[in-house]
Amino acid sequence: DQQVKQNSPSLSVQEGRISILNCDYTNSMFDYFLWYKKYPAEGPTFLISISSIKDKNEDGRFTVFLNKSAKHLSLHIVPSQPGDSAVYFCAASATGTASKLTFGTGTRLQVTL
Amino acid sequence: KAGVTQTPRYLIKTRGQQVTLSCSPISGHRSVSWYQQTPGQGLQFLFEYFSETQRNKGNFPGRFSGRQFSNSRSEMNVSTLELGDSALYLCASSYLAGGQETQYFGPGTRLLVL
Repeated sequence: DQQVKQNSPSLSVQEGRISILNCDYTNSMFDYFLWYKKYPAEGPTFLISISSIKDKNEDGRFTVFLNKSAKHLSLHIVPSQPGDSAVYFCAASATGTASKLTFGTGTRLQVTL
Repeated sequence: KAGVTQTPRYLIKTRGQQVTLSCSPISGHRSVSWYQQTPGQGLQFLFEYFSETQRNKGNFPGRFSGRQFSNSRSEMNVSTLELGDSALYLCASSYLAGGQETQYFGPGTRLLVL
């Protein structure tokens, strides 16, 4: 039972354009959400998080949107840069913290020149 | 600040053996979590320790255990290894600031069970 789903295994975006990565979840108890990016042979790198009491959080080029009624969150990267090419994971927790995370299967983002 | 460190980075064991993995969190972080990453199951939560106490536990058999020391360093033990335990084991430490919790992962220990 995949409680956190990233339905797009890969995404290709031109440099300078917007990258939008999507994530859906089924567990209504999830109340804290995070995005990570991962390079091969490294651990995931934290990008941004959002609590269920908010619907948007921004940090530099990264913005996360949360739509609780649709059980959907998205990560926007603007502008996309070649260094953003990596696998992106969304994760969710029902503890109100970054504890006991349930991860999605990841989306591979390729930013082309 | 130094990041999360994990030792060893690579390990080869045989079925039936046991293994202990070590994690040193970022200085000042009191929470340490462990995850298993496999190609088939993705990233799965094992357990979390906070101030030497297990605070949360995932759905893994009792062969997987852990502990945390007073300096927040953590160890994870897997007994009676099975082929399916071959995976990347990731440790993460976290802290709460400004109402936002941030979790940092180490590079992982890659375990191969033969």
